[in-house]
Amino acid sequence: GNSVTQMEGPVTLSEEAFLTINCTYTATGYPSLFWYVQYPGEGLQLLLKATKADDKGSNKGFEATYRKETTSFHLEKGSVQVSDSAVYFCALIHPGGYQKVTFGTGTKLQVIP
Amino acid sequence: GAGVSQSPSNKVTEKGKDVELRCDPISGHTALYWYRQSLGQGLEFLIYFQGNSAPDKSGLPSDRFSAERTGGSVSTLTIQRTQQEDSAVYLCASSLEGTGGRGYTFGSGTRLTVV
Repeated sequence: GNSVTQMEGPVTLSEEAFLTINCTYTATGYPSLFWYVQYPGEGLQLLLKATKADDKGSNKGFEATYRKETTSFHLEKGSVQVSDSAVYFCALIHPGGYQKVTFGTGTKLQVIP
Repeated sequence: GAGVSQSPSNKVTEKGKDVELRCDPISGHTALYWYRQSLGQGLEFLIYFQGNSAPDKSGLPSDRFSAERTGGSVSTLTIQRTQQEDSAVYLCASSLEGTGGRGYTFGSGTRLTVV
């Protein structure tokens, strides 16, 4: 079956530090990969996605590259801000027919001034 | 509507009581999903609707849980005889089609506390 593994949190960084949140997946075929973000007290929001190998998704300074050879989709940001404090979820889905989205367990990021 | 709307935003109930959680998806979104987010856990899939039918309800944890969708729009998740382990945030999401390839749009969730 499909599964997503994320690094354990919480991750605590100082403002302007470099962020990496690791995500690896297990799936047959060619899933689409997503990062969702959940700010305190809110629902999940789609942050970025990539639908095929070597694609790079990017949004709000965050980026992630679909690496089929390492089955990874690590989230990176060059300089985090306090406002980036949230829980980040890696997820996958197989397109072309119904498949529910499989989420990782989430990684909490706390950015301190 | 402009977004996925869930109500109530918070619900505290006594153990053994029944609760109903409501989700109003984005207008025109044919696919609707319920997930549960427990403290320290990831998102647990509960049920998927395409239109008014539920082709995948494999995630419902017990027969105390049921859901329906009417008019291809509003969905209600019902939990009967609530237990303390049912305490969680229940999230609803919708998408334009069942593949989810464009990503889901989530509501803000209903925080259920069973005391």
